[in-house]
Amino acid sequence: DIQLTQSPSSLSASVGDRVTITCRASQSVMKYLNWYQQKPGKAPRLLIYAASSLQSGVPSRFSGSGSGTDFTLTISSLQPEDFATYYCQHSYTFLTWTFGQGTKVEVK
Amino acid sequence: EVQLVESGGGLAQAGRSLRLSCRGSGLKFGDYAMSWVRQAPGKGLEWLGFIRSKIHGGAIEYAASVRGRLTISRDDSNSIAYLQINSLRSDDTAIYYCSIPQVEVGRNPLHYYGMDVWGQGTTVTVSS
Repeated sequence: DIQLTQSPSSLSASVGDRVTITCRASQSVMKYLNWYQQKPGKAPRLLIYAASSLQSGVPSRFSGSGSGTDFTLTISSLQPEDFATYYCQHSYTFLTWTFGQGTKVEVK
Repeated sequence: EVQLVESGGGLAQAGRSLRLSCRGSGLKFGDYAMSWVRQAPGKGLEWLGFIRSKIHGGAIEYAASVRGRLTISRDDSNSIAYLQINSLRSDDTAIYYCSIPQVEVGRNPLHYYGMDVWGQGTTVTVSS
């Protein structure tokens, strides 16, 4: 099965910081890489789909890039409501879907 | 408003079976694929599987880790998706979510994007 490896596993940041999370796939998933945000006690929320498309209603400070095996989620200016755990997930049809292990964004 | 509501969770005995339900509202349920994801206490998200809509063939995919022990099905007439877990184990203790993956329109073979609608989850606790 394909593996998705996120880095870092956790990070400490301050409001206003630029935050970058990477997700590496063990084989190509083309553009079929999605990003989610999850807060404690809540269901995940889709932020980015197809590597770089912003889900409706998601603030424009979130952006995604990449294709193939290397992907990035960027938060351009971290806001208080962005402290959460972020997951990548692939949805490439020819491979069993999976999630990355998560990246926790904490207050510095 | 599109909503998914899971039910059927609770305390269950190891070795028994449990069937979870996911009822959809605000959408033409049969037109959508349905996916199941779980999260063990303090752990990350684990994708379990999904069932395509009947108009897209209705095929089912499972994660390798649960294949053979979990069964996904759907009853479109009642807008419900099911997840049956057999031979319950302690590591099945988790919150179970259903969700809807977006279809990439016009692509052949069919591809999906991320899951944009989620239920609130139902908690399963397996006791030995």
